[in-house]
Amino acid sequence: GESVGLHLPTLSVQEGDNSIINCAYSNSASDYFIWYKQESGKGPQFIIDIRSNMDKRQGQRVTVLLNKTVKHLSLQIAATQPGDSAVYFCAENAGGTSYGKLTFGQGTILTVHP
Amino acid sequence: DADVTQTPRNRITKTGKRIMLECSQTKGHDRMYWYRQDPGLGLRLIYYSFDVKDINKGEISDGYSVSRQAQAKFSLSLESAIPNQTALYFCATSGGAPSYEQYFGPGTRLTVT
Repeated sequence: GESVGLHLPTLSVQEGDNSIINCAYSNSASDYFIWYKQESGKGPQFIIDIRSNMDKRQGQRVTVLLNKTVKHLSLQIAATQPGDSAVYFCAENAGGTSYGKLTFGQGTILTVHP
Repeated sequence: DADVTQTPRNRITKTGKRIMLECSQTKGHDRMYWYRQDPGLGLRLIYYSFDVKDINKGEISDGYSVSRQAQAKFSLSLESAIPNQTALYFCATSGGAPSYEQYFGPGTRLTVT
């Protein structure tokens, strides 16, 4: 069935390092992808999104890469800070009759050590 | 004030009780969603509504019902709560095309004993 999954459930990095969080998706019809950050006790917050007609998009300290050939999505965080510690979710939208609905992956726990 | 609010924030109830979780949004969006979050399972869609007259089941709707009282309000009910419905529940809203971004509430932690 349609699903979005993450390769690594946990990631531990040192402050100042770059972080890369990966996500695999299985629905080749998905045309929109989004990354969310969820801090403890809070709802998910939007980080960055990308459409299927792009392979890279940059935000402030974050970059999302999309490889449609292998159905892979990644979130890169530059100069990771302790405040980046959170759970990160990727999500996809399959368009068509699923338009507007997001399917979420399991999440990756990012821990940043000072 | 928060764009998406949920009440209650925490609730403990007993098996068999009827529970209603409420969600309100001030973003003026037509689309609203209810998700359930369990440890290690991410967010799973329970129900969604693309406008006041439109209600759709998500992937895990069994045991739940919803009501879209107005554009700004979307409530989730557990008709007869059971312990495996213990979870964190999130409401979200989105404005539709061209953005699919969903804005989430702070969540309701529900415990069924």
